[in-house]
Amino acid sequence: GESVGLHLPTLSVQEGDNSIINCAYSNSASDYFIWYKQESGKGPQFIIDIRSNMDKRQGQRVTVLLNKTVKHLSLQIAATQPGDSAVYFCAERGKGAQKLVFGQGTRLTINP
Amino acid sequence: GAGVSQSPRYKVAKRGQDVALRCDPISGHVSLFWYQQALGQGPEFLTYFQNEAQLDKSGLPSDRFFAERPEGSVSTLKIQRTQQEDSAVYLCASSESGRSYNEQFFGPGTRLTVL
Repeated sequence: GESVGLHLPTLSVQEGDNSIINCAYSNSASDYFIWYKQESGKGPQFIIDIRSNMDKRQGQRVTVLLNKTVKHLSLQIAATQPGDSAVYFCAERGKGAQKLVFGQGTRLTINP
Repeated sequence: GAGVSQSPRYKVAKRGQDVALRCDPISGHVSLFWYQQALGQGPEFLTYFQNEAQLDKSGLPSDRFFAERPEGSVSTLKIQRTQQEDSAVYLCASSESGRSYNEQFFGPGTRLTVL
């Protein structure tokens, strides 16, 4: 079946450094990808999205890269801050579909 | 403005009890989703409404799970005869319309613990 997964379950970086979180997906029919941030006791919070007709999209301190050839998605966070500590999920949506398919998540810890 | 709200935030049930979880979506949002999130896992889709119509219930794990949205606003997820494997966080999300690229806004979730 379709699945979205992550390469690294945990990631620890120094405050101020850049971080990269990776995600692999298997559904080649997916046309929309989203990164969510989830803090303890809260629901997932939208960070950034990208459509399949793009390979890069930038936001404030965040960049998402999409490589459809190898079905790989990454989230880059620049100049990390303590508030970036959370679990990050990638999610995908099939063309014409409504539901999101989430990966397992990566816990990002920012060390002072 | 107000986001998606869910109640109760925490629910403890004895095995075999019925529970009802409530979701108040963002006002005016057409689409509403329920997801189940097990500890340490990503959310998994349960069901989807567009207004009052339940268009997809493919993720409901058994016929003990039932969801409704009778007036196209508030939704209730009901679980009958709860079992220990039902313990999870139940997340509700809403989006402005049924178009694929609309952002889904998530509520804080209801943590269900079945003893």
